Amino acid sequence: SQQGEEDPQALSIQEGENATMNCSYKTSINNLQWYRQNSGRGLVHLILIRSNEREKHSGRLRVTLDTSKKSSSLLITASRAADTASYFCATDAGGTSYGKLTFGQGTILTVHP
Amino acid sequence: KAGVTQTPRYLIKTRGQQVTLSCSPISGHRSVSWYQQTPGQGLQFLFEYFSETQRNKGNFPGRFSGRQFSNSRSEMNVSTLELGDSALYLCASSPGGVTGELFFGEGSRLTVL
Repeated sequence: SQQGEEDPQALSIQEGENATMNCSYKTSINNLQWYRQNSGRGLVHLILIRSNEREKHSGRLRVTLDTSKKSSSLLITASRAADTASYFCATDAGGTSYGKLTFGQGTILTVHP
Repeated sequence: KAGVTQTPRYLIKTRGQQVTLSCSPISGHRSVSWYQQTPGQGLQFLFEYFSETQRNKGNFPGRFSGRQFSNSRSEMNVSTLELGDSALYLCASSPGGVTGELFFGEGSRLTVL
């Protein structure tokens, strides 16, 4: 079962624009992660934010986490055509949830050159 | 370091058959997790192995099984295949402590006819 919702389901932008994706989840978490997937291939880890963190940056990526609202957002600045992919948030409940991440449905991002 | 390697990449089976998928984790990683990805259900956790022991299991029928060898390589088996088992099966490895970043392979795409 999916942990939560991602919004929007699809996003289409021009190169150079910013892309924002949102994720909501239902249960308490140890950390929240974002992954990218190109055309049904493997997932690539982008960034991890712990439950006691509110914001994290990595290159052109900015992630925020609001545990009171059980939500997170991923901002990709100055998007490039190569950013075209599906983006998934995934939550880790911690404890004995070894190896288990609960994924959202994903956002399909299309960046037009 | 070499990444996570999954074999075979593509396979076609018929209903009632069984299939074995293989995963070689990143060198030094002792935890291997398996996920099923379908258009309808998204990414779902199957199970996780660490030091040849299953530590965690998702909500899948007993037809889905796995094992891990002493060199951390893992296999998963699906018996009595059903049409609904058609999916991308993803393997991920991590060092093995608490669940943090997962490193995914390219997946094995199974089609059941």
